[in-house]
Amino acid sequence: ETGVTQSPTHLIKTRGQQVTLRCSSQSGHNTVSWYQQALGQGPQFIFQYYREEENGRGNFPPRFSGLQFPNYSSELNVNALELDDSALYLCASSLGVSGGPTDTQYFGPGTRLTVL
Amino acid sequence: QKEVEQDPGPLSVPEGAIVSLNCTYSNSAFQYFMWYRQYSRKGPELLMYTYSSGNKEDGRFTAQVDKSSKYISLFIRDSQPSDSATYLCAMSAYSGGSNYKLTFGKGTLLTVNP
Repeated sequence: ETGVTQSPTHLIKTRGQQVTLRCSSQSGHNTVSWYQQALGQGPQFIFQYYREEENGRGNFPPRFSGLQFPNYSSELNVNALELDDSALYLCASSLGVSGGPTDTQYFGPGTRLTVL
Repeated sequence: QKEVEQDPGPLSVPEGAIVSLNCTYSNSAFQYFMWYRQYSRKGPELLMYTYSSGNKEDGRFTAQVDKSSKYISLFIRDSQPSDSATYLCAMSAYSGGSNYKLTFGKGTLLTVNP
């Protein structure tokens, strides 16, 4: 067990709605990264937060936003949901910045979002 | 052309076989190379991490990097049914400040049959 938890496990929304996904990082991990994993694809980097500040962003539109809190929890918010947003959303926590030379990312089990 | 190419398989082998998983990449800026294993309904977990050309061994697993050919491999010796999972290659490149951009391959679905 990595100690990273995510909620909810599954979620069904309709197009145009808004959704909030939650992640609880390992204690002491200052960095949280969020990924979108479509069916049959590898995870795609959405953004990263380091000590409550956004610290890098992938090719995702502004309707994808996030927050990180001092208690090692974080949120991914998606507005105006589209059908293509259906995917597994993963969060990963690490001591340092993700992908860096001394980093190990610990992934949660993910939230499976279905947009109808 | 995608930055990271990985054959999605599926790959099915008998127990005890040697498994070879591969990825190619086009971005010369990639410096760090990783292999993750993802079981069904779970998040990825880091298996191997390397940053230089050559081989790195950890138990039954060997990671190989050839930067001149932009090619990385993961070998699994004496494969076990418990190795059945999706294997994802991942690579990172420095993108300024304290940031690294991490890019994953599509993943290869491996089944090891008893």
